Amino acid sequence: DTGVSQDPRHKITKRGQNVTFRCDPISEHNRLYWYRQTLGQGPEFLTYFQNEAQLEKSRLLSDRFSAERPKGSFSTLEIQRTEQGDSAMYLCASNFREGKGYTFGSGTRLTVV
Amino acid sequence: AQTVTQSQPEMSVQEAETVTLSCTYDTSESDYYLFWYKQPPSRQMILVIRQEAYKQQNATENRFSVNFQKAAKSFSLKISDSQLGDAAMYFCAYRSARYGTSYGKLTFGQGTILTVHP
Repeated sequence: DTGVSQDPRHKITKRGQNVTFRCDPISEHNRLYWYRQTLGQGPEFLTYFQNEAQLEKSRLLSDRFSAERPKGSFSTLEIQRTEQGDSAMYLCASNFREGKGYTFGSGTRLTVV
Repeated sequence: AQTVTQSQPEMSVQEAETVTLSCTYDTSESDYYLFWYKQPPSRQMILVIRQEAYKQQNATENRFSVNFQKAAKSFSLKISDSQLGDAAMYFCAYRSARYGTSYGKLTFGQGTILTVHP
């Protein structure tokens, strides 16, 4: 168990570019969550996967955002045509059903310039 | 929709003393879970303590304990014998226990920055 891994740790991109983040959950965890955290605020839910099925998407997840979890293992979050308002920390978390808590990754910090 | 409110943006405590962080929440559900998470400057969110709403007994984990008042929808965190390593941002979070599309999603408060003075 190496924890939840997120890659990259930091990403600086120009406005209008596309970016993709990756999350590798703990191997036996079937649930995976993406959250967005802006500076000084609590994380906000973006989307949730149970195995490979995306079961819920927040209204925060505009059409420019897409997430996948092929084969129920790692997940990717893509942002197309990035805007300055997309600058935030993107956190991934995983758990297994009625586990006692969630394991979070260290996040990917996105800066759109 | 559920909401979580942390009214203390910042708190400070002397090393070895006790501090209490406040959290209130709003929900129409009767069965849910409440959490306190710690986020040090390294950014990884760490679970501090968890409380099931159906349990009247307050959860305790070593130096960390909660005061869960279900009727008042209040969930405060007490840190005893504060240590320098306790300095971090603390988040209160809510999770529904109802099976369905919202099952498992955490709703977080705005956070409280805790400073520990030596």
